[in-house]
Amino acid sequence: NAGVMQNPRHLVRRRGQEARLRCSPMKGHSHVYWYRQLPEEGLKFMVYLQKENIIDESGMPKERFSAEFPKEGPSILRIQQVVRGDSAAYFCASSQTQEVYNSPLHFGNGTRLTVT
Amino acid sequence: AQSVTQPDIHITVSEGASLELRCNYSYGATPYLFWYVQSPGQGLQLLLKYFSGDTLVQGIKGFEAEFKRSQSSFNLRKPSVHWSDAAEYFCAVGNNNNDMRFGAGTRLTVKP
Repeated sequence: NAGVMQNPRHLVRRRGQEARLRCSPMKGHSHVYWYRQLPEEGLKFMVYLQKENIIDESGMPKERFSAEFPKEGPSILRIQQVVRGDSAAYFCASSQTQEVYNSPLHFGNGTRLTVT
Repeated sequence: AQSVTQPDIHITVSEGASLELRCNYSYGATPYLFWYVQSPGQGLQLLLKYFSGDTLVQGIKGFEAEFKRSQSSFNLRKPSVHWSDAAEYFCAVGNNNNDMRFGAGTRLTVKP
């Protein structure tokens, strides 16, 4: 019974390169959320997706960041032209339904991005 | 918009001592409240949640939390801390569409 799977666990990129973070939700979950955690800070909401749709991207930076959750395959968080300030832990969470009463979030172990 | 404040960045307690982690929230309607725990290098694990009903909720690993509407608080407690409880604890508030906001976290250190 696999939980939320994120890969890679650690990702090192040089400034200007692209970073691709992948998230496979729990089986049966069609709702995916991405959060960013900076050192000494809590989780900051980035984006909420359902299959093939972006529902809420109010936490996404306007430039360089994008997310998708295709019909087949994992959700992808893509960061273009990375800068040092992008270094953080990125967590994915999934839920079975939109209602927290019925289906709380389940988190992956995160991808730690380091930009050199 | 909802928000969460965890006033204590870091707390140290002795093993066997009691623990209380504070959480204050801001939300216009009845909130959905959560506590999560994060061990080093890991994701977040749900400890407990409050939606309605009894204001004292029991969670996993011997934790409990009490919802106090008058104080806009949802403090986490444990009567006797174990060394394995050392971790970071996050309080979160949401509505019924999984739109959740997390506090900055409280790091718990347990002394032998």
